[in-house]
Amino acid sequence: GQNIDQPTEMTATEGAIVQINCTYQTSGFNGLFWYQQHAGEAPTFLSYNVLDGLEEKGRFSSFLSRSKGYSYLLLKELQMKDSASYLCAVSWDTDKLIFGTGTRLQVFP
Amino acid sequence: DADVTQTPRNRITKTGKRIMLECSQTKGHDRMYWYRQDPGLGLRLIYYSFDVKDINKGEISDGYSVSRQAQAKFSLSLESAIPNQTALYFCATSDPGVGSQYFGPGTRLLVL
Repeated sequence: GQNIDQPTEMTATEGAIVQINCTYQTSGFNGLFWYQQHAGEAPTFLSYNVLDGLEEKGRFSSFLSRSKGYSYLLLKELQMKDSASYLCAVSWDTDKLIFGTGTRLQVFP
Repeated sequence: DADVTQTPRNRITKTGKRIMLECSQTKGHDRMYWYRQDPGLGLRLIYYSFDVKDINKGEISDGYSVSRQAQAKFSLSLESAIPNQTALYFCATSDPGVGSQYFGPGTRLLVL
């Protein structure tokens, strides 16, 4: 079966660093995506990992270990606007994604 | 202008009614998708289309149908709406091989 697990909720303080973990078990693997979704809005693309290792993009970084079926999204220098849900998604077949249920992050002053 | 648009943005309907949700894109992508999002369940794929002549069922296609009228247009129909189809519906597009999907703003549907 296909399964993606990520924590339901996390909280953090403005200026801090937070790591959101994602584990997956899928029948195929063509890459792992992270999306950000503010309440009531569309998901927007944050990052993509297809090879093991860390991808850095400004305040956001994403890590992948294919052998462990594990990824994390690292958010640095947290800002209030980072309060959102973060969706982990795996491309398991040609251009088809399976999504986790999302991690709701609340950033407090 | 938005690259992926959806109409309507909000819709209230009654059980048994037929409704259509429409999606248009100006990104020039061949691949289009329909998802629904429910609290605690994440995004689930309803139907997808890799070109105008290609339609495929996703994981939760029962009770839904789609039409790909052109490369830029992909419509989702609920033939006879039921209350458990109340959800937030998203259309998305992607380029072949790139993988990342681009989402429309969503349609919030309430079935009474």
